[in-house]
Amino acid sequence: GAGVSQSPSNKVTEKGKDVELRCDPISGHTALYWYRQSLGQGLEFLIYFQGNSAPDKSGLPSDRFSAERTGGSVSTLTIQRTQQEDSAVYLCASRAIGGGGTEAFFGQGTRLTVV
Amino acid sequence: SQQGEEDPQALSIQEGENATMNCSYKTSINNLQWYRQNSGRGLVHLILIRSNEREKHSGRLRVTLDTSKKSSSLLITASRAADTASYFCATVSSGSARQLTFGSGTQLTVLP
Repeated sequence: GAGVSQSPSNKVTEKGKDVELRCDPISGHTALYWYRQSLGQGLEFLIYFQGNSAPDKSGLPSDRFSAERTGGSVSTLTIQRTQQEDSAVYLCASRAIGGGGTEAFFGQGTRLTVV
Repeated sequence: SQQGEEDPQALSIQEGENATMNCSYKTSINNLQWYRQNSGRGLVHLILIRSNEREKHSGRLRVTLDTSKKSSSLLITASRAADTASYFCATVSSGSARQLTFGSGTQLTVLP
């Protein structure tokens, strides 16, 4: 596609349910990032993929959070047993890895509301 | 964890004035980037400066980088009401990790 696509754009779920958030990066971008942003706050790093592997999972807040990336393309962020504090906008970005430095392209995010 | 820290957290200026935002970081970087965010959704890339560069310009934007002080600044000249947004710096770590870490952002308000 022309840009990074995230789905769904909005998700309302009941506390305790599992949710899956999807990110479709720009074709050919080897790096993929997930961030979480609460209202009026900065971007909290969650996980980074280089190809299909995740060299840095240090930002995942708890073992309820997991992510995978298959075929070096689509990534899924799964939150199990959602809690109200999980409510936030989840942003995905992809980037081509180049020696000179490259910009990241962001999707429009998924706004997750846990009720 | 957030590596970059921007200051000020919020800045309010009149249209036509210049706006300066600062960013500090902690580890060795490959490059530093500035992004803009409207309405709490996707971020848009503004400008990238490599670790061996000291200053870069793009239109009304000027960014500086001081690797000895681990700091950067973004200057927006002749601001417009449409520049109202949140601005974030982000660092790409050096080495193979290539982590992209964002700061806490500066909320800029340009008053007409």
